[in-house]
Amino acid sequence: QKEVEQDPGPLSVPEGAIVSLNCTYSNSAFQYFMWYRQYSRKGPELLMYTYSSGNKEDGRFTAQVDKSSKYISLFIRDSQPSDSATYLCAMRGTSGTYKYIFGTGTRLKVLA
Amino acid sequence: NAGVTQTPKFQVLKTGQSMTLQCAQDMNHNSMYWYRQDPGMGLRLIYYSASEGTTDKGEVPNGYNVSRLNKREFSLRLESAAPSQTSVYFCASSESANNYGYTFGSGTRLTVV
Repeated sequence: QKEVEQDPGPLSVPEGAIVSLNCTYSNSAFQYFMWYRQYSRKGPELLMYTYSSGNKEDGRFTAQVDKSSKYISLFIRDSQPSDSATYLCAMRGTSGTYKYIFGTGTRLKVLA
Repeated sequence: NAGVTQTPKFQVLKTGQSMTLQCAQDMNHNSMYWYRQDPGMGLRLIYYSASEGTTDKGEVPNGYNVSRLNKREFSLRLESAAPSQTSVYFCASSESANNYGYTFGSGTRLTVV
């Protein structure tokens, strides 16, 4: 079993929909969580990061961490065709500073 | 602002050949990283450099070597390329080890035949 699981998609939604992207993990020591967006043939770019549990909002994006369920989510409101990309989650514990574990990514297509 | 620049963007190698992937950042970041990305595997850390003058192994270091040439530049060398090293390679940098904001380059697509 992988430490971080992410549905590969593709997830297709109509423009304006609310999108929910999710990752599950098995290591209860994970405390730092990040979401990256990766356009085709480009490098990942950081969207959101959260520490421990709770919600964090930035514009149309909300990151949510549920440590009791070992489950994190990224919500995108009012999705746009420009949001079409692969979304990667990444996480680590408090030790092993550099050892982020990345999910395999979920491909999102927002249809105009 | 260029951010993180990787060269080359594409490369085809024959098994056994060697090559060096170059990475440079212009953000005055202390920490730099090399990742590989394979279908179904996610990004995996090959080597990292916490600061100028230091390098350490990541998750998948076998078959690779690195050099932190100065604060700006971090190169990845394949001494004897193997088909298993066919991948997309990303260089990234961050202000420090505790900084969540990794900035990635646009990648090098390497094919070993």
